[in-house]
Amino acid sequence: KAGVTQTPRYLIKTRGQQVTLSCSPISGHRSVSWYQQTPGQGLQFLFEYFSETQRNKGNFPGRFSGRQFSNSRSEMNVSTLELGDSALYLCASSLDHSGANVLTFGAGSRLTVL
Amino acid sequence: DQQVKQNSPSLSVQEGRISILNCDYTNSMFDYFLWYKKYPAEGPTFLISISSIKDKNEDGRFTVFLNKSAKHLSLHIVPSQPGDSAVYFCAASKTGANSKLTFGKGITLSVRP
Repeated sequence: KAGVTQTPRYLIKTRGQQVTLSCSPISGHRSVSWYQQTPGQGLQFLFEYFSETQRNKGNFPGRFSGRQFSNSRSEMNVSTLELGDSALYLCASSLDHSGANVLTFGAGSRLTVL
Repeated sequence: DQQVKQNSPSLSVQEGRISILNCDYTNSMFDYFLWYKKYPAEGPTFLISISSIKDKNEDGRFTVFLNKSAKHLSLHIVPSQPGDSAVYFCAASKTGANSKLTFGKGITLSVRP
């Protein structure tokens, strides 16, 4: 069974640009969550999608957005990049969107903003 | 507002000894708790979980203890092995629809050979 796949693994952007990250969940998993990991801040919740609908959202500015497709694949977009957006962006999938599910994470997309 | 707190950023333990990783939470609505382990350049991997109806859950060398009155949980690793060296994240959630998993900042465990 293939795991959660995130692309690209590494990318470098400059301030003001925008970026799109992609996530393919485990087959059969319908919920996709996104987290941002920065040194000293742990994993900060960005948003969760289930059945193409955003079910939950963290405390991030509107520059951070996402969507989910009918095949459960998800993308997140960050517009007008800032230096502070440099982080590891992690995608995780689970069967559904109840709180008792174990999330399975991908390896992450490492974004560097120069 | 940090609802899940891992106050010690790092822990160093001798191989073969016990590692005890602590976690505190502030939201009394949390009823499901998990530990994840993360190696560099990899995503976090699930280690062990516990529901609030239990106070202990064991899986091989890993045991998680939950003290609901103190809003505290701990992960015990016995015996510790060098391969256990990683960042450990505590996480908590409320069961029910549309509930998110809230993570602590992580503890870096180093197991010395």
